[in-house]
Amino acid sequence: NAGVMQNPRHLVRRRGQEARLRCSPMKGHSHVYWYRQLPEEGLKFMVYLQKENIIDESGMPKERFSAEFPKEGPSILRIQQVVRGDSAAYFCASSPRLGAMNGYTFGSGTRLTVV
Amino acid sequence: DQQVKQNSPSLSVQEGRISILNCDYTNSMFDYFLWYKKYPAEGPTFLISISSIKDKNEDGRFTVFLNKSAKHLSLHIVPSQPGDSAVYFCAASEGETSGSRLTFGEGTQLTVNP
Repeated sequence: NAGVMQNPRHLVRRRGQEARLRCSPMKGHSHVYWYRQLPEEGLKFMVYLQKENIIDESGMPKERFSAEFPKEGPSILRIQQVVRGDSAAYFCASSPRLGAMNGYTFGSGTRLTVV
Repeated sequence: DQQVKQNSPSLSVQEGRISILNCDYTNSMFDYFLWYKKYPAEGPTFLISISSIKDKNEDGRFTVFLNKSAKHLSLHIVPSQPGDSAVYFCAASEGETSGSRLTFGEGTQLTVNP
């Protein structure tokens, strides 16, 4: 019974490249959330998705960032034309239903470094 | 606009003593609060939660207290153990079932010395 799987664990990109972060939710979980943690800060909400739908993307920057959760396969957080300020830890969480806060399970994160 | 604040970046206690971690919030719409624990290179792990209709919730060595009028909550760990050394995040949401997002504090690094 695997937990929330995120890959890669570490990702290094040069400025201007694209970063793709993947998240496979726990089995039976159809709700996925992405959070970002900048150095010395708490986690900040980015986006909430259900299968094939973006429910709340109010925390996501309007440009360069996009997220999807297709019918088949993992959820993808995509960052185009990365800049140094995108360097952070990106965490994905999943839950079996909306608002199941106690059932929120986080992955181990992807640490993105932009050089 | 930091709606959830943990003013102590670090706390050090002796094994066996009580650890008290504090959290303040400004958004009066928050009515569900959680504490998460995070080890380096891992994701946050849920510890304990409390609804605003309660003022205390206890689970083993962990107790969360909520003072709504002061917009303040605290996490008590007693007795503290070296394995409790981690970063602790306070988080809040507008409703246990209606909210989809958590608003986190900056975290407090707890070190429990043997």
